[in-house]
Amino acid sequence: GAGVSQSPSNKVTEKGKDVELRCDPISGHTALYWYRQSLGQGLEFLIYFQGNSAPDKSGLPSDRFSAERTGGSVSTLTIQRTQQEDSAVYLCASSPQGTGTEAFFGQGTRLTVV
Amino acid sequence: GENVEQHPSTLSVQEGDSAVIKCTYSDSASNYFPWYKQELGKGPQLIIDIRSNVGEKKDQRIAVTLNKTAKHFSLHITETQPEDSAVYFCAARRNQGGKLIFGQGTELSVKP
Repeated sequence: GAGVSQSPSNKVTEKGKDVELRCDPISGHTALYWYRQSLGQGLEFLIYFQGNSAPDKSGLPSDRFSAERTGGSVSTLTIQRTQQEDSAVYLCASSPQGTGTEAFFGQGTRLTVV
Repeated sequence: GENVEQHPSTLSVQEGDSAVIKCTYSDSASNYFPWYKQELGKGPQLIIDIRSNVGEKKDQRIAVTLNKTAKHFSLHITETQPEDSAVYFCAARRNQGGKLIFGQGTELSVKP
């Protein structure tokens, strides 16, 4: 079956522009995560969705970042007024449920802000 | 807040030797501990995980040990091969759900 799909795989944008990154989780997975990975760095938690519960937004670095998950499936991460420090790989993961089960990662979207 | 520390940041071994990567966590409510392998240009892939009701788990050349009292867990790779070269991440999560907190990663290089 299909894994976690992220689009686009690469995105180059000009400073100050808004960008939208998309994540299609594995069908039936109720939990969805967004992480940011800067070059050569670890995975920085951004936001977590679990079913119909209120998302855990505690990792979003500023109010320029937001995410939504429509119909419990597809998620979109939006970055407004992009800055050069936003350049990173944005990774999405999903898992069958939030409790103690494997999270499957997509290939990521490489964002470059010029 | 929750934190996971991972050491070493880089590790170089000869093919056939063992490799050990160690992590400590701060949230005593954590009880799910996965390890991920990330190859260049790819997303992380789970290689092994352990839950707090066991102290050790093995899968062929890979094993993980957990000491809940000391709040640390380790990844052991035996008989390393060049294809084991990658970045490895540990993580911790509360079993009630919620975010996975990752360590900073270890770049493992296995020299033939």
